[in-house]
Amino acid sequence: DAGVIQSPRHEVTEMGQEVTLRCKPISGHNSLFWYRQTMMRGLELLIYFNNNVPIDDSGMPEDRFSAKMPNASFSTLKIQPSEPRDSAVYFCASSKGEWQGFPEQYFGPGTRLTVT
Amino acid sequence: EDKVVQSPLSLVVHEGDTVTLNCSYEVTNFRSLLWYKQEKKAPTFLFMLTSSGIEKKSGRLSSILDKKELFSILNITATQTGDSAIYLCAVDAFNSGGSNYKLTFGKGTLLTVNP
Repeated sequence: DAGVIQSPRHEVTEMGQEVTLRCKPISGHNSLFWYRQTMMRGLELLIYFNNNVPIDDSGMPEDRFSAKMPNASFSTLKIQPSEPRDSAVYFCASSKGEWQGFPEQYFGPGTRLTVT
Repeated sequence: EDKVVQSPLSLVVHEGDTVTLNCSYEVTNFRSLLWYKQEKKAPTFLFMLTSSGIEKKSGRLSSILDKKELFSILNITATQTGDSAIYLCAVDAFNSGGSNYKLTFGKGTLLTVNP
């Protein structure tokens, strides 16, 4: 099993540019989660999907952030326009089971985003 | 607003010591509490606790939940250098006002085990 795959692993971009982070969940998992981790705020859940449908996006910080899951094997998190305060490690995680709750999740390796 | 507080923030011990990590929470509509271990990269799942007083155990790690006092502890016995990591606690709660669930993480405890 390849685990959760994220790309790119590192991204450096200039303020104002669009950034797209990608995630491939574990095959057979029907829930997908996007997190952001910073020293100041710790690990924060941004949005989660169940069966490709966004269930709760209340953690998305502002309208500059958007996420999609067009099919069961792919999701994107987009930031447009990016700002220096968006610099963080972004994790994607997947799990199988009921959407109501957070059963054991498997995390990807993360994307380290730096916005200058 | 839901709150999860972990203590201590950091801890340095010697191999062979036993450590206890704490997690207290204030949430409405609690569902479960989860522990994760984060080494250099991504968090890995350790335990999920839903009932008070029932210990979950995996090797040298164990955890228990007290839903009356709103806290959980994670114990690690006979620590090894490989236990060095950030240990994260998270609480899963029903999102009042909606039909969703919300997961709130603590800031973590950084454990360093020296040889």
